[in-house]
Amino acid sequence: DSGVTQTPKHLITATGQRVTLRCSPRSGDLSVYWYQQSLDQGLQFLIQYYNGEERAKGNILERFSAQQFPDLHSELNLSSLELGDSALYFCASSVRQGQETQYFGPGTRLLVL
Amino acid sequence: DAKTTQPNSMESNEEEPVHLPCNHSTISGTDYIHWYRQLPSQGPEYVIHGLTSNVNNRMASLAIAEDRKSSTLILHRATLRDAAVYYCILRRMGNTGNQFYFGTGTSLTVIP
Repeated sequence: DSGVTQTPKHLITATGQRVTLRCSPRSGDLSVYWYQQSLDQGLQFLIQYYNGEERAKGNILERFSAQQFPDLHSELNLSSLELGDSALYFCASSVRQGQETQYFGPGTRLLVL
Repeated sequence: DAKTTQPNSMESNEEEPVHLPCNHSTISGTDYIHWYRQLPSQGPEYVIHGLTSNVNNRMASLAIAEDRKSSTLILHRATLRDAAVYYCILRRMGNTGNQFYFGTGTSLTVIP
């Protein structure tokens, strides 16, 4: 158990819908990262937050957004969903935002029908 | 974009050393090399990372070529619990923050 929690574990929705994925980092970790893992694209970095502020953006689509709240939990919002958005979404956390270890959650499996 | 290339799969006998290679010919001077592994139905797990010098920890060793265009993750004695997909990742610091470039991963099978 990494100490990072993600909810829900599974999510099934329809094209065009909007969903919110939630992540609670390890106690004391200030950085939160979001990743997408799909069969065709592999693991991709989406976005990073540090202490409530956006720090880095990767291959995140404009239909996707994220935020980190004062209690340091984070939410990833996916809107206008397409079939190709079906994937595993991982959240990871770390103490700071340097080269330290990231701890990954168990992931949320999203299926868009 | 930075890119890492890894073999799709490798096999090892239990209790023998395993050398997992990674090519990263587009690496820049400040890119860190990270290795994570992903066990079935779990999120990735940190293994080791380095910049220029070889690194050792309780899980593995990381050997980095002198020109830094390749690296090798070494598991000294493979166990059945080491069966996983191993990802070689470049971490790049830029004006817009950290960027992470994942390889496609090597699926390691450990044979009893």
